[in-house]
Amino acid sequence: GIQVEQSPPDLILQEGANSTLRCNFSDSVNNLQWFHQNPWGQLINLFYIPSGTKQNGRLSATTVATERYSLLYISSSQTTDSGVYFCAGQGGSEKLVFGKGTKLTVNP
Amino acid sequence: NAGVMQNPRHLVRRRGQEARLRCSPMKGHSHVYWYRQLPEEGLKFMVYLQKENIIDESGMPKERFSAEFPKEGPSILRIQQVVRGDSAAYFCASSHRDLRYEQYFGPGTRLTVT
Repeated sequence: GIQVEQSPPDLILQEGANSTLRCNFSDSVNNLQWFHQNPWGQLINLFYIPSGTKQNGRLSATTVATERYSLLYISSSQTTDSGVYFCAGQGGSEKLVFGKGTKLTVNP
Repeated sequence: NAGVMQNPRHLVRRRGQEARLRCSPMKGHSHVYWYRQLPEEGLKFMVYLQKENIIDESGMPKERFSAEFPKEGPSILRIQQVVRGDSAAYFCASSHRDLRYEQYFGPGTRLTVT
């Protein structure tokens, strides 16, 4: 079946630190995406990244489709980066299958 | 440039009542998806609709839950005879018909059943 697994489940950082979040996905998953759910519960699209590397400010993402993983990099973290980061993919249909998320806490 | 709109943002219902959640997709989007997020969990797909059509309802509970997306007006997720276990955040997403992999999410409706 379709599987999307994220690690670590929890991450605590000091402001200014860098971090890497990982997403492993099964063979049948494609159209990999990253989302940020802020502390108010809103889901924000970060990257649509089925393969390759993209950057947006302090965030970047890399997906190696042949090895079935994706990485989200956060550099110089800020308290506003806190929240839960989800990766999600599609597996032969339009519905998104989400991982369980990485809960990031950035302390001042 | 309005995004996906959901209302109400918070809804409190007593056990046995009905809950109606509304979703207006982004302008130009004709595909709507509903997801449910239970406390401390990721989002789980419920149903995928186009105007006047249910395309995939494989994630919908068999009883008490229904969804529609009429020709005019918002999409509605309806939960009849709510129970405590229905308490969750319900998110709606929409996509353009040619970019169905790119789904944009609304702010969610937080349903609390007392």
